[in-house]
Amino acid sequence: ETGVTQTPRHLVMGMTNKKSLKCEQHLGHNAMYWYKQSAKKPLELMFVYNFKEQTENNSVPSRFSPECPNSSHLFLHLHTLQPEDSALYLCASSRNLAGVSGELFFGEGSRLTVL
Amino acid sequence: RKEVEQDPGPFNVPEGATVAFNCTYSNSASQSFFWYRQDCRKEPKLLMSVYSSGNEDGRFTAQLNRASQYISLLIRDSKLSDSATYLCVVNTIDSGTYKYIFGTGTRLKVLA
Repeated sequence: ETGVTQTPRHLVMGMTNKKSLKCEQHLGHNAMYWYKQSAKKPLELMFVYNFKEQTENNSVPSRFSPECPNSSHLFLHLHTLQPEDSALYLCASSRNLAGVSGELFFGEGSRLTVL
Repeated sequence: RKEVEQDPGPFNVPEGATVAFNCTYSNSASQSFFWYRQDCRKEPKLLMSVYSSGNEDGRFTAQLNRASQYISLLIRDSKLSDSATYLCVVNTIDSGTYKYIFGTGTRLKVLA
């Protein structure tokens, strides 16, 4: 069993659809992250949660709405997306927030295509 | 200037070759440094942390030069299985918050 699990692995949606990405970590970590990875661009930090409280929103459009019900689960709710939002969305966790040297553990990602 | 900058490559090298990647970072207050490896259509995974004194893990050696604000990764005796994208990651402070900042990655192809 991987430490960080993401579902679905692949998602195709229209611009008017509403869908959600789910992430679950089994590592007992306190911090969870959403990153976006587009072709030929560095990973872009979207949101950070620490002890289920949001600590970072990196100027992400409101059509992306995160939810963190507890330290083990993280959701990304998607609504009225644009084709340029097509990308690989990666969830990650770490024992503590960045600032204390530690490893980021990534899920396998959810590949999103917006038609 | 990008916060973390890497040569995207690709670096095409024969098996057994030695290859080196560099990465520069812009924030002198950066605290810690890492190399991650990402295989095609997979998630990034930690390859090694980079310590001030330099560190080695088998065929891999990482170096940090704080004065010039760059880190390097040296791979000796390249294997076919080393083919991947290598991501430079810097833990830096921004507006009072620490963040992991990723480079675009350097793609390595080891050829038989």
